[in-house]
Amino acid sequence: QTVVTQEPSFSVSPGGTVTLTCALSSGSVSTSYYPSWYQQTPGQAPRTLIYSTNTRSSGVPDRFSGSILGNKAALTITGAQADDESDYYCVLYMGSGIYVFGTGTKVTVL
Amino acid sequence: EVQLVESGGGLVQPGGSLRLSCAASGFTFSTYWMHWVRQAPGKGLVWVSRISPDGTSTTYADSVKGRFTISRDNAKNTLYLQMDSLRAEDTAVYYCARAPGGTYGVDYWGQGTLVTISS
Repeated sequence: QTVVTQEPSFSVSPGGTVTLTCALSSGSVSTSYYPSWYQQTPGQAPRTLIYSTNTRSSGVPDRFSGSILGNKAALTITGAQADDESDYYCVLYMGSGIYVFGTGTKVTVL
Repeated sequence: EVQLVESGGGLVQPGGSLRLSCAASGFTFSTYWMHWVRQAPGKGLVWVSRISPDGTSTTYADSVKGRFTISRDNAKNTLYLQMDSLRAEDTAVYYCARAPGGTYGVDYWGQGTLVTISS
């Protein structure tokens, strides 16, 4: 069974930069997995930040960016703000119409 | 404005059935892939199912295959999830979501509907 792993937690200072990653239990993540990234605060529906590796969703500020770093998908937050404190999830397209979400990363801004 | 509004959640006994609906507006529903994603209390997001714009292609996570059926009515701009043989582990908030393509992740989400499986 495929597992998509993210860092459990990250702490970043206001104005700082943080890079979250999304890895496969076996193999490398590439653009062929069409990685997407979502932000979720407690009690709220997820919000789409990035889809298809690096395409920002409508209304998402350009301090959020997506990429492939080595063998992982990555989400970089540049100039972190207090309201970036959230849970972040990636999802990968595994082919044959199947998707797998990552384990999620809790980001604290302090 | 894109809107996705789920309904149909509630409390059901194990082994029971429930049908969720998702009313879509603000976009041409019949041209988009649609998904269901769920989140158990305090847990992460889990992909459940996907359906093609014309409804002819459907896929499911292994955990729900054979028990859940995704469908859509493009004339009514509505997505459905028929859930049968429900188990305690199906307890979750269920989100419907829109995807801009057959391989892309979702771009818009509904607010979710809570399904609780308990005796």
